Amino acid sequence: GQNIDQPTEMTATEGAIVQINCTYQTSGFNGLFWYQQHAGEAPTFLSYNVLDGLEEKGRFSSFLSRSKGYSYLLLKELQMKDSASYLCAVRDNAGNMLTFGGGTRLMVKP
Amino acid sequence: EPEVTQTPSHQVTQMGQEVILRCVPISNHLYFYWYRQILGQKVEFLVSFYNNEISEKSEIFDDQFSVERPDGSNFTLKIRSTKLEDSAMYFCARRLAGSYEQYFGPGTRLTVT
Repeated sequence: GQNIDQPTEMTATEGAIVQINCTYQTSGFNGLFWYQQHAGEAPTFLSYNVLDGLEEKGRFSSFLSRSKGYSYLLLKELQMKDSASYLCAVRDNAGNMLTFGGGTRLMVKP
Repeated sequence: EPEVTQTPSHQVTQMGQEVILRCVPISNHLYFYWYRQILGQKVEFLVSFYNNEISEKSEIFDDQFSVERPDGSNFTLKIRSTKLEDSAMYFCARRLAGSYEQYFGPGTRLTVT
C-alpha cells in the first residue's frame, strides 16, 4: 500500500523561510516529486529527488532521506505568490505512476 | 517546459452520458498519463499510456474508462456512462523519454449533473 503524509495547512510571513515536510510508506520507491498547485490550476513541477540529499533550485530546495521515508520542501524569501498548495508525490518501482499526498496549503501573510 | 493543451476546459454533462476528454501533446512525447482531482481532494492516478498501449492503470480506471490515441496526436480519455462521482478535474500529463518529470496540462473540469 501507499501512504503519504503532509501537514494540511501552514502559515508563514512574507520574506521568511518555511519547511514543508512529507513522510511516506510505500511498497516501492523510485523517486519523490514536489508540485505547486494554485487554486483552480494544474500542478506545476518543482523538484524531483531520487538520491539522498538536498537539491537546490533558486528559492526552492528539496531534501530526501530514503532510509527515513522523509522529504521536505524548503521555500526561502517567501513571496505572496507562493501562497498555494504543495503536493508531495512518490513514484513507485512498478512504473511511472505518481501517488500523491493530500497537499499542504501554504498561506503567506504580509 | 513542453506544452500540452486539453479540451474542453469545462464540460457539463448529464449522468449516464458519454464524455471524451482530449489532450494534445507535442509530437515527441511517448509517455502520457491521466489523473483526476475531485474538488478538495488529492490528485489520483488513473492510467498511463506508452507507445500506444496502456502500461498501468489504477483501481479507479474500470470498464467505464478507456484511453486511446486515435490519430497519433490527440490522446483521449473516454468515460462511457458518467456518474455524479465522476465530477472532477481531469489532468493529462506527459513525460519525455529519458526523464522522469511529469508535466501537467491545464485540465478539464468535468461536471456531471
